[in-house]
Parts: sequence; C-alpha cells; structure tokens
Amino acid sequence: EAGVAQSPRYKIIEKRQSVAFWCNPISGHATLYWYQQILGQGPKLLIQFQNNGVVDDSQLPKDRFSAERLKGVDSTLKIQPAKLEDSAVYLCASSYSTGGETQYFGPGTRLLVL
Amino acid sequence: AQTVTQSQPEMSVQEAETVTLSCTYDTSENNYYLFWYKQPPSRQMILVIRQEAYKQQNATENRFSVNFQKAAKSFSLKISDSQLGDTAMYFCAFTFRTGANNLFFGTGTRLTVIP
Repeated sequence: EAGVAQSPRYKIIEKRQSVAFWCNPISGHATLYWYQQILGQGPKLLIQFQNNGVVDDSQLPKDRFSAERLKGVDSTLKIQPAKLEDSAVYLCASSYSTGGETQYFGPGTRLLVL
Repeated sequence: AQTVTQSQPEMSVQEAETVTLSCTYDTSENNYYLFWYKQPPSRQMILVIRQEAYKQQNATENRFSVNFQKAAKSFSLKISDSQLGDTAMYFCAFTFRTGANNLFFGTGTRLTVIP
C-alpha cells in the first residue's frame, strides 16, 4: 500500500514570495491533515479536511495561508506572501476517518524563507 | 487547554540496553487515544505504538511497550534491546475519541543509541 506522498521535499524562497505544497493521501483515507513543524517543536495542526470539507482550520493564518482539497483526494497548501517565520517543515497526514484513527504521515516539505 | 509535556529533551542509551521516555499530558476529556511517533533524520513521522485510554492493558509492539497511568495522566515509552535504528526524535501525542481527530504533540525527546 502506497503511503502519503508530498512534493516538493525542499523549497527555498525569499520573503513575500508565494509557495505551494502538494499532498496525496493514502487511498481510501477520508481525512487529511496539514501540520506545521517549526524546528525544535512538535507538529501543530494547520487544517483538517474530511473528504473535501474543512473540519478545523482554527490555527491556519488565513491572511496568508490557504488550502484546498478538490474532489476529496489530493490537497494543496499555499502561502502567499511568505514570511521568515514560515520556515518550517510542512507535514501532510491522512487517516481512514476521525475518532481516534491513526494518522499516517508523509515525508514532509522543508521550507526555508530567506 | 490540551497539553503534552516531554520533560527529557535528549536521552542516550547503549545498544541492546533498555530506555524509558517520559510523557505527561493534560486534558479534561475522558475518552482519547495516545500515541508515540518516531521521527528519524529523514523526517518521516512513523507510528510506534497506540494506546486506547479506555483499555487498562498497556500496549506492546515488539520491543516497544508503554506504561499508561490514566489517573496520573502519564504515558511513558519503554524501548527494550535498543538498536542503532532507534535513533530518532520521539513524540508523544493524543487525540480525542469523538469529534475532530487533531493530534496534540509534545516537543519531543531526541534519542541516540550508542554503539
């Protein structure tokens, strides 16, 4: 069974530029998550989708971050414009459903904003 | 507020020895799941072990076992017969049984297995 796929693996941009990350969850997983992991910290949820609907985006900085999950499968996370403090690893995860289901993580995208 | 505390930022253990990583958490909810995830230098977060809070029996997975003390809100991970491949960051996390499935993570413990 294929795992969670993410691209790109690394990205370097200058502040005020825009960037987009892509995630393909495990086949059949209805729930998809985007986490931000700043160096030295545990991951923090940015947004959670159930199929193509948003379940929780309370921690998403909506003035610069946006995310979508068209057709309830792949998802993209965009940052526009990027700030220095957005430098982090962006992790995508998926689970079969909610209610304590185990989340499976992708390899992450490491973003450096200069 | 939901919090997870891992009080040991770094630990080391000799190969083949046993090590225990500590984790405490705080929640007012009664139904939840606890997890230990491993994050090697490649950065892929990998599930190590999962515990259902309503189960008394401690979860085990090969060389990995937990000591779950619900009243004390403690969830430690024991790694037996440590191997070089166990070198990684270890994160303790929990999520609720109902509602959204958001994982609340601790800050991690960096474990180094010494040959």
